[in-house]
Amino acid sequence: DAGVTQSPTHLIKTRGQHVTLRCSPISGHKSVSWYQQVLGQGPQFIFQYYEKEERGRGNFPDRFSARQFPNYSSELNVNALLLGDSALYLCASSRRAEEKLFFGSGTQLSVL
Amino acid sequence: AQTVTQSQPEMSVQEAETVTLSCTYDTSESNYYLFWYKQPPSRQMILVIRQEAYKQQNATENRFSVNFQKAAKSFSLKISDSQLGDTAMYFCAFMMIYNNNDMRFGAGTRLTVKP
Repeated sequence: DAGVTQSPTHLIKTRGQHVTLRCSPISGHKSVSWYQQVLGQGPQFIFQYYEKEERGRGNFPDRFSARQFPNYSSELNVNALLLGDSALYLCASSRRAEEKLFFGSGTQLSVL
Repeated sequence: AQTVTQSQPEMSVQEAETVTLSCTYDTSESNYYLFWYKQPPSRQMILVIRQEAYKQQNATENRFSVNFQKAAKSFSLKISDSQLGDTAMYFCAFMMIYNNNDMRFGAGTRLTVKP
């Protein structure tokens, strides 16, 4: 079975632009969570979606948004990019909302 | 607010020896999970071990075991018979039960296993 897949693997944007990151969960997993990992730090929780509904939101500005599709894949959108948004964005899936998380390899976003 | 502290930014160990990584956390909750994740250069976070706070018995997974001291809010990871493939960043994490996968991570410990 394929693991959690994320695309693209790397992305370079300039300040003020918009970006969309994509995540496909493991087959049968209905929960997707997004984390931001800044260099030298541990990941920080951004969102959780379960059964296409937002179930949790971390301390991030409204420039960050996400959604989950009927096939349980998910998109993370970030508007008006800032230099500080440069980070590794990790997606994780689980069968249900509080079960063991399986992480993808992330999307490395660089904002210039 | 829940916080996780890993006081050892870097550690090294000789192959086949044992190493212990430290983690402390702060919470007023009584029901939660604790985790150790490994992040190799591939960047994928890999679950090493999970502990439920309501269980007194320390979790073990092959060469990996934890020392969970609930009263002291301490959760250390012991790696026995260290292997070169254990070289990675190790993150300690905390999550309240029924809290929507809002997992709080420490800053990580970079472990190097030397041949």
